[in-house]
Amino acid sequence: AQTVTQSQPEMSVQEAETVTLSCTYDTSENNYYLFWYKQPPSRQMILVIRQEAYKQQNATENRFSVNFQKAAKSFSLKISDSQLGDTAMYFCAFMSGYMEYGNKLVFGAGTILRVKS
Amino acid sequence: SQTIHQWPATLVQPVGSPLSLECTVEGTSNPNLYWYRQAAGRGLQLLFYSVGIGQISSEVPQNLSASRPQDRQFILSSKKLLLSDSGFYLCAWSGASHYGYTFGSGTRLTVV
Repeated sequence: AQTVTQSQPEMSVQEAETVTLSCTYDTSENNYYLFWYKQPPSRQMILVIRQEAYKQQNATENRFSVNFQKAAKSFSLKISDSQLGDTAMYFCAFMSGYMEYGNKLVFGAGTILRVKS
Repeated sequence: SQTIHQWPATLVQPVGSPLSLECTVEGTSNPNLYWYRQAAGRGLQLLFYSVGIGQISSEVPQNLSASRPQDRQFILSSKKLLLSDSGFYLCAWSGASHYGYTFGSGTRLTVV
């Protein structure tokens, strides 16, 4: 079974600075997808960024980018120019690329990020 | 566009009472549907998922059950709630591709 590990329970960053959240995963598959989701205090889950394992290029979405290291099974999220609205819990998640697994998302335990003014 | 509705937003129920949480999706057909539970300050645990009407897969043995009576309707139920059933319940849907989920706004369930 796949597992996702987020080793940082909590982090804080000053407004306008850069922060990196760590994520590692374990799988024997070669076809999979990785995600970062954000859960602000409202508790609404919001997709931040998505990475396809067969793509070597790291995904970027505005101030959010990932460092995908397939051999190391590492998938970190970098937030540049941090804003107060980035304060949230961030979840790393894994999805198998094989249809028989029903597109299930396996989540890490989450990292609480606090952006300070 | 696709939307997902989940209700109620908040629920307080006594131990031993029944439960019914409902989730509906609009704007798509044959979605994959999911129920997750999130304990306070913790990660998301997959409870049930469904790839079609009447098809339910259970991930964790527990006091809950799920049903999918219509293509875009997913219901989470319990006959008798336990204190340990308290938590934040999230419904989600995905298409056949691997673009991730769209989540509902969640139900905060407190069993007293």
